[in-house]
Amino acid sequence: DVKVTQSSRYLVKRTGEKVFLECVQDMDHENMFWYRQDPGLGLRLIYFSYDVKMKEKGDIPEGYSVSREKKERFSLILESASTNQTSMYLCASSKAGGPRDTQYFGPGTRLTVL
Amino acid sequence: GESVGLHLPTLSVQEGDNSIINCAYSNSASDYFIWYKQESGKGPQFIIDIRSNMDKRQGQRVTVLLNKTVKHLSLQIAATQPGDSAVYFCAENAGGGYQKVTFGTGTKLQVIP
Repeated sequence: DVKVTQSSRYLVKRTGEKVFLECVQDMDHENMFWYRQDPGLGLRLIYFSYDVKMKEKGDIPEGYSVSREKKERFSLILESASTNQTSMYLCASSKAGGPRDTQYFGPGTRLTVL
Repeated sequence: GESVGLHLPTLSVQEGDNSIINCAYSNSASDYFIWYKQESGKGPQFIIDIRSNMDKRQGQRVTVLLNKTVKHLSLQIAATQPGDSAVYFCAENAGGGYQKVTFGTGTKLQVIP
């Protein structure tokens, strides 16, 4: 059974803190993604990775960085959290093979930055 | 509760009736479309997909219709059940790179028992 897990369901941080969001998939997928989801804006791609140590910017990478040291793990880093980064963060993965592969999502992390 | 359902168009349907959820897309180059279901507190879940060389595809209780002429996609759910209550959104992929998928903002389906 397909499984994507995220380290926290709810997280509260203060402005300026460094924040790590972790995502792990157990499907041996090559591709992994980080999105944020905001009311009225849908899902917006922050970063994605198609291989270990590889990363590509998505549509809204500013203020974020990522790390992919192992195939199963993709981390999203907020170097200095700001209130406008309060959002729902969703991780997804898919197997390699092109843009038509289905993305499987984790349950999401709701981050509040005070 | 989850705020993802706020500011979304809402469709209220009586249990047992059929539901039709619509989606308009803008990129005429999009050649692959996906419907996702997102229940409260969960991540999006794949429901059904369709390629642009098709105009209809059926799954279990769900049917997706694609009208490329007007760039419109619909998801039909037969005999809607309380467990179908969720936010539904479509996604389009125009190819041209890794996973260049654009997601819609979603429609909230409320099933009235």
